[in-house]
Amino acid sequence: DGGITQSPKYLFRKEGQNVTLSCEQNLNHDAMYWYRQDPGQGLRLIYYSQIVNDFQKGDIAEGYSVSREKKESFPLTVTSAQKNPTAFYLCASGGGGNTIYFGEGSWLTVV
Amino acid sequence: GQQLNQSPQSMFIQEGEDVSMNCTSSSIFNTWLWYKQDPGEGPVLLIALYKAGELTSNGRLTAQFGITRKDSFLNISASIPSDVGIYFCAGPAGGTSYGKLTFGQGTILTVHP
Repeated sequence: DGGITQSPKYLFRKEGQNVTLSCEQNLNHDAMYWYRQDPGQGLRLIYYSQIVNDFQKGDIAEGYSVSREKKESFPLTVTSAQKNPTAFYLCASGGGGNTIYFGEGSWLTVV
Repeated sequence: GQQLNQSPQSMFIQEGEDVSMNCTSSSIFNTWLWYKQDPGEGPVLLIALYKAGELTSNGRLTAQFGITRKDSFLNISASIPSDVGIYFCAGPAGGTSYGKLTFGQGTILTVHP
């Protein structure tokens, strides 16, 4: 099936650990995005990539890192520098223009 | 940065009623998007609007791109229980970075059978 796959769905992180969230798309989209959602709030942009081997910081990039080595993959690493990482993380992709499509999300909880 | 103000924040309605929600921006948008999010899932695109004054329908949903280009409206007619969820408006954050969207805070819709 075509779409955007995020994994894992649920992830627990200990204080001081780095964790990586996976995002894969088979829609042949050039652009990919990571958003963060906190309870009762809208989505905020962490990082985005419009082409392979290039990415840009969004509004809340501090404490996160990404890579875009392949067109279909855009993993997000939540580093220990992110002081409040517990949130719902959403990956999205777009084929051009402003319309983007989301994966099913990953829940990250710090324990 | 740009802000989107979405209202109302929440709605509690009876099944069969019509629903209206809106979104306003502090600056002009060239695209308006409406998404629906079910609990624990990613947002799903409902309607995309690309032209001022445009009125677009998707089943029982109708959305309009405001003439001023600073607002948009979403209407749901004859609501049913599966309409429950959070509805977000979104628009481009400015410049030419396509897909870099700003989202409203969301409208939480509850439908009582």
